[in-house]
Amino acid sequence: EPEVTQTPSHQVTQMGQEVILRCVPISNHLYFYWYRQILGQKVEFLVSFYNNEISEKSEIFDDQFSVERPDGSNFTLKIRSTKLEDSAMYFCASSDLEGATNEKLFFGSGTQLSVL
Amino acid sequence: QQQVKQSPQSLIVQKGGIPIINCAYENTAFDYFPWYQQFPGKGPALLIAIRPDVSEKKEGRFTISFNKSAKQFSLHIMDSQPGDSATYFCAASDRGSTLGRLYFGRGTQLTVWP
Repeated sequence: EPEVTQTPSHQVTQMGQEVILRCVPISNHLYFYWYRQILGQKVEFLVSFYNNEISEKSEIFDDQFSVERPDGSNFTLKIRSTKLEDSAMYFCASSDLEGATNEKLFFGSGTQLSVL
Repeated sequence: QQQVKQSPQSLIVQKGGIPIINCAYENTAFDYFPWYQQFPGKGPALLIAIRPDVSEKKEGRFTISFNKSAKQFSLHIMDSQPGDSATYFCAASDRGSTLGRLYFGRGTQLTVWP
């Protein structure tokens, strides 16, 4: 079964450094998302992306965050200057049109980001 | 603001038991209520979902009960198995606004003892 692939699985960075989290969505999907889960807390929506632009972003997704689909397969989340509170598991997700309509998102296994 | 509240935080049952996980929501615009299952080291995966025009949906051993007037919904797992041990998240969305934006509960860690 096709799956969403995220790399790296773990990333450790120093506060203030830039990080890029990478995702390869399912190949025929058109809608892409980033969610995050701080340890012990709920999974939270960050941003949705369709047709090479952001569809919606949450209040968490401030100017320090950006997303990009640099080619036909990758979808990245960049955090420009990491803060301690950015430490979380970051999940990439994708869906096709039917999945987006029915909220059937396919999630990757996540990247655990630790900011020291 | 916590849009979806989930309880309990953790649940332990014996094999064959019927764990019940409850969720409540606040936003009356929500019109889709999925449950996601997450195993350690994996991302959440859609398990079952319900729309508010029905009060119950069953898929295999998993049943969602939905009470629109109370703004509550719950997941029941019949004849639970050790392989059901996972974290379960309820979620809600307003498909009239943004596609794919899910509001998750905090999750319930379920352990099924053999």
